[in-house]
Amino acid sequence: GQNIDQPTEMTATEGAIVQINCTYQTSGFNGLFWYQQHAGEAPTFLSYNVLDGLEEKGRFSSFLSRSKGYSYLLLKELQMKDSASYLCAPMDSNYQLIWGAGTKLIIKP
Amino acid sequence: IAGITQAPTSQILAAGRRMTLRCTQDMRHNAMYWYRQDLGLGLRLIHYSNTAGTTGKGEVPDGYSVSRANTDDFPLTLASAVPSQTSVYFCASSVEAAGGNTGELFFGEGSRLTVL
Repeated sequence: GQNIDQPTEMTATEGAIVQINCTYQTSGFNGLFWYQQHAGEAPTFLSYNVLDGLEEKGRFSSFLSRSKGYSYLLLKELQMKDSASYLCAPMDSNYQLIWGAGTKLIIKP
Repeated sequence: IAGITQAPTSQILAAGRRMTLRCTQDMRHNAMYWYRQDLGLGLRLIHYSNTAGTTGKGEVPDGYSVSRANTDDFPLTLASAVPSQTSVYFCASSVEAAGGNTGELFFGEGSRLTVL
């Protein structure tokens, strides 16, 4: 079966760094996405990894290891507005996204 | 404003009633999707359409139907609503469905449906 595992909730301090991990098992693999979703709002695209390694985009970076079925999202210089849920979503062999339940990130001053 | 629009944003519905959630996009995207999001669960795909005139079943299609008469519109119909269909429904679109596409989805703001 297909399975996504990410922590339910994490807490971090403003200005700090946080790493949100995601492990996955899918039928085939065509890349992995991270989305951000603020409470009561729609998900918005953050990153896409299809090859192993680190992709950096400003304060956010995403890492992928296909052999380990593992990805992480790294957020630096945390701001209060980063309080949101972060959704890990690998794409399977049918090019369908398989969504994790999301990690709720709470930022404290 | 370019993007994807859903209506209604919120609705309370009696069980057994028929309901259509509307979704319109003006980005000329070929692929469109309907998801439901429930607390503690990931987004679950209900139905999708890779291009106008075609539709397909997702992970949880039972009790729902869709149509794709043109590129812009992708309505979702609940023929006879049941309480288990209480959820937040998101419509999304992408440039292409698969292959040669990063797969980035653009989401509508969601429709919160309560079935009593």
